[in-house]
Amino acid sequence: GQNIDQPTEMTATEGAIVQINCTYQTSGFNGLFWYQQHAGEAPTFLSYNVLDGLEEKGRFSSFLSRSKGYSYLLLKELQMKDSASYLCAVRERGGNKLTFGTGTQLKVEL
Amino acid sequence: DTAVSQTPKYLVTQMGNDKSIKCEQNLGHDTMYWYKQDSKKFLKIMFSYNNKELIINETVPNRFSPKSPDKAHLNLHINSLELGDSAVYFCASSQASGGRGYTFGSGTRLTVV
Repeated sequence: GQNIDQPTEMTATEGAIVQINCTYQTSGFNGLFWYQQHAGEAPTFLSYNVLDGLEEKGRFSSFLSRSKGYSYLLLKELQMKDSASYLCAVRERGGNKLTFGTGTQLKVEL
Repeated sequence: DTAVSQTPKYLVTQMGNDKSIKCEQNLGHDTMYWYKQDSKKFLKIMFSYNNKELIINETVPNRFSPKSPDKAHLNLHINSLELGDSAVYFCASSQASGGRGYTFGSGTRLTVV
């Protein structure tokens, strides 16, 4: 089984940087995903890490440390439209099932 | 061009009724899923099909029955609906070993009254 933890809520200021952490425990790790979900909409793919290190994609970056069971999503130059829920999800070896964390609700303020 | 489409978007029905939700993907993916998102926004897997074969069946009441007529379609039939079934149901698809995870449909908000 898996246990995935993320903070429930975070608040940040427009233009700032925010880091959303995710810790996980799994018996057979095979990738970690970050999704963004705006209220009333479907989750959309943001990033994927399977090896240790930082993956950068525009304003968003994601980091993974497999030995620590830890990932973070870094959002730079925050915009109001970044207000959303951010979901961490882990895939186990032997299949393509994603297990999601409870999500972090990010509120970006002026 | 909708990649994963599910219908209906909203469904309001009375307790005890039977209802179906349909899902279709045009991405050529070989695996499809049903997830349930409850009022606390927790996304939990229910079922997964790979090329019409059931590969994941989590602890879900047997009132829920998925059907996959071909690898582009995965429907969900729910019998004897209960108040606790009220949630948003998301269909998703992926390649079996996708590095992009899932593509989700827009969701079906089911309200049982």
